Amino acid sequence: GAGVSQSPSNKVTEKGKDVELRCDPISGHTALYWYRQSLGQGLEFLIYFQGNSAPDKSGLPSDRFSAERTGGSVSTLTIQRTQQEDSAVYLCASSLAGNEKLFFGSGTQLSVL
Amino acid sequence: AQSVTQPDIHITVSEGASLELRCNYSYGATPYLFWYVQSPGQGLQLLLKYFSGDTLVQGIKGFEAEFKRSQSSFNLRKPSVHWSDAAEYFCAVGAFNAGNMLTFGGGTRLMVKP
Repeated sequence: GAGVSQSPSNKVTEKGKDVELRCDPISGHTALYWYRQSLGQGLEFLIYFQGNSAPDKSGLPSDRFSAERTGGSVSTLTIQRTQQEDSAVYLCASSLAGNEKLFFGSGTQLSVL
Repeated sequence: AQSVTQPDIHITVSEGASLELRCNYSYGATPYLFWYVQSPGQGLQLLLKYFSGDTLVQGIKGFEAEFKRSQSSFNLRKPSVHWSDAAEYFCAVGAFNAGNMLTFGGGTRLMVKP
């Protein structure tokens, strides 16, 4: 596709349920990021994938959060046993290796009731 | 660790007036600096970036930013604001020795009065 695609665009879930958020990066982009934007807050780094290297998971807020990237392309962010404080917009971005420009998806709005 | 501070959470300017959005960073080496804009209902878009060289960088939509090492600042400016500039603006600092890891500021919401 022409840009970074995220799905779903909106997700409403009940507290305690697991959710999966998907990101399709731009074809050929080896770097992929997940960020979280809470209401009124700036962007919070979650996790970073670069090629075949081990991901940088330093931003994941708890062990309920995990992410994987299959085949160096599509990535899935999983939140287990969701809590109300997980409600936020989850943004995915990708870039070419060694290229600094990030291309962002439109995000997934997650609401935990 | 790197950090970015955007001191102004909200700014309101009149259409046609000049604009300056402040950004201060903390980073141990020469930073790579960015400004992104997030319009309502849209993803983030890169406005401009600074890597090296001329400290005054030009971006899209008539924006510019000046890197001042002595002040650890990278303020965004526009001489004449248009109503369509109303959006959230994010400053970010990068550390590219370890990959494209960016740290974002908290954002400044710009409102434009007619």
